[in-house]
Amino acid sequence: IQLTQSPSSLSASVGDRVTITCRASQGINSYLAWYQQKPGKAPKLLIYAASTLQSGVPSRFSGSGSGTDFTLTISSLQPEDFATYYCQQLSSYPTFGPGTKVDIK
Amino acid sequence: EVQLLESGGGLVQPGGSLRLSCAASGFTFSNYAMTWVRQAPGKGLEWVSTIGGSGVNTFYADSVKGRFTISRDNSKNTLYLHMNSLRGEDTAVYYCARITWNYGQYYFDFWGQGTLVTVSS
Repeated sequence: IQLTQSPSSLSASVGDRVTITCRASQGINSYLAWYQQKPGKAPKLLIYAASTLQSGVPSRFSGSGSGTDFTLTISSLQPEDFATYYCQQLSSYPTFGPGTKVDIK
Repeated sequence: EVQLLESGGGLVQPGGSLRLSCAASGFTFSNYAMTWVRQAPGKGLEWVSTIGGSGVNTFYADSVKGRFTISRDNSKNTLYLHMNSLRGEDTAVYYCARITWNYGQYYFDFWGQGTLVTVSS
């Protein structure tokens, strides 16, 4: 199962609402996770089961979707949120999307 | 506190072998499946292999099947990745991660800091 993400990169300001889309090549129900990765660091789990917030992750992060189309939303971008975001499907052998880099406008 | 610490990376020639280790602490290791994920320089994430908690069930990406072997020693709380017939395209940072199951879903909830494997002559 292949995943695409859009956009591949975006520039935003602190306080902006940011939305990242992930599309699966076939239906995956809600078997989708989102990760955040900062340069030189390991990925960090943000959301699993498409919309469940991982413990300790700020509530400004949210996920939605089911089937083939999914969204990660950051309601008010904070300085520490500038990073690359990956979606991952776990319906079959895991695959990751190509990533969306969020940088400072 | 869950901690995963990878080791064993380094420079190896094409066709060579390497064994990566991931030392786990802060949780009951044998209760969790574990996985390896890699990231080539400047590239995205690629799942490599997964092993069940008992070590019986193993799964591999097509790109490494037949060359890599995942294993674990639950008495030592350690996960391994044995890599043979290494190629240039295996050059990457290798991360180990813990797999958690919750309400019929699984996900990679804790990751190590990664170890760099460079395959070059």
